[in-house]
Amino acid sequence: NAGVTQTPKFQVLKTGQSMTLQCAQDMNHEYMSWYRQDPGMGLRLIHYSVGAGITDQGEVPNGYNVSRSTTEDFPLRLLSAAPSQTSVYFCASSYSTGAVNSPLHFGNGTRLTVT
Amino acid sequence: GESVGLHLPTLSVQEGDNSIINCAYSNSASDYFIWYKQESGKGPQFIIDIRSNMDKRQGQRVTVLLNKTVKHLSLQIAATQPGDSAVYFCAENIRTGGFKTIFGAGTRLFVKA
Repeated sequence: NAGVTQTPKFQVLKTGQSMTLQCAQDMNHEYMSWYRQDPGMGLRLIHYSVGAGITDQGEVPNGYNVSRSTTEDFPLRLLSAAPSQTSVYFCASSYSTGAVNSPLHFGNGTRLTVT
Repeated sequence: GESVGLHLPTLSVQEGDNSIINCAYSNSASDYFIWYKQESGKGPQFIIDIRSNMDKRQGQRVTVLLNKTVKHLSLQIAATQPGDSAVYFCAENIRTGGFKTIFGAGTRLFVKA
C-alpha cells in the first residue's frame, strides 16, 4: 500500500493563480481531510469528508474548495491564491466512521508558496 | 469555542529521563483523543490514542493519561531517546453528525545526549 499520496511536493504560485492539490489514498478509508500548517502553529482543519459525495467545512475553509467524487481521491482547490495561503498542506485519511474511532494517516505534505 | 491546546511549547530533557507533554482540551463532548509525533519535513504519525471511557492507556515506552474532570491529556515517554526529538501534537475527535479531528498547537521535544 502506498498510503496517502500528495502531489505536488512543492509549488510556487503568483497571487491570483488557481491550482489543485491532489490527495489519494489506497486504504479504502471513508474519512479524508485537509489541514494547513503554518510555522509555529498546529494543524488547522480546512475541509473534511466522511465519505464519497459528502464534504464539510473545517476551521479555516475560506479560499478553498473540495469535492469527493470517489472514495480514493480528495483534491483541494485554491481558486485565487493569496500570500496568506503560503503554508504546508497535509492530507489525511482514516478508517473512522460515525461509530468507529481510528487515528489519521497523513501524507508527506505539499509546501505552497504564494508570491 | 472548540480548541485543543498545549501548556508548554518546548520541552528539553536529558537522554534517559522521562518526558511529560501536557494538553488541555475544551470540548467535553469529545470521545476520542490521539497523540501524534511529527519529525522535520514529514507528516504527523500516530503514537497512541485513548477513548473517553478510559483514563490511562499504555504502549511501548509511552503512556497517555486522560482526566475528563479537568479536560487534561498528557503523554508520558519513558527513557527518552534522541530519536524521540520531534514535535508532538494532541488531537481530539469532535462529533458533528460525522466527526472532525482538531489539533493543538504542538510541543517541540529536545532530547539532550
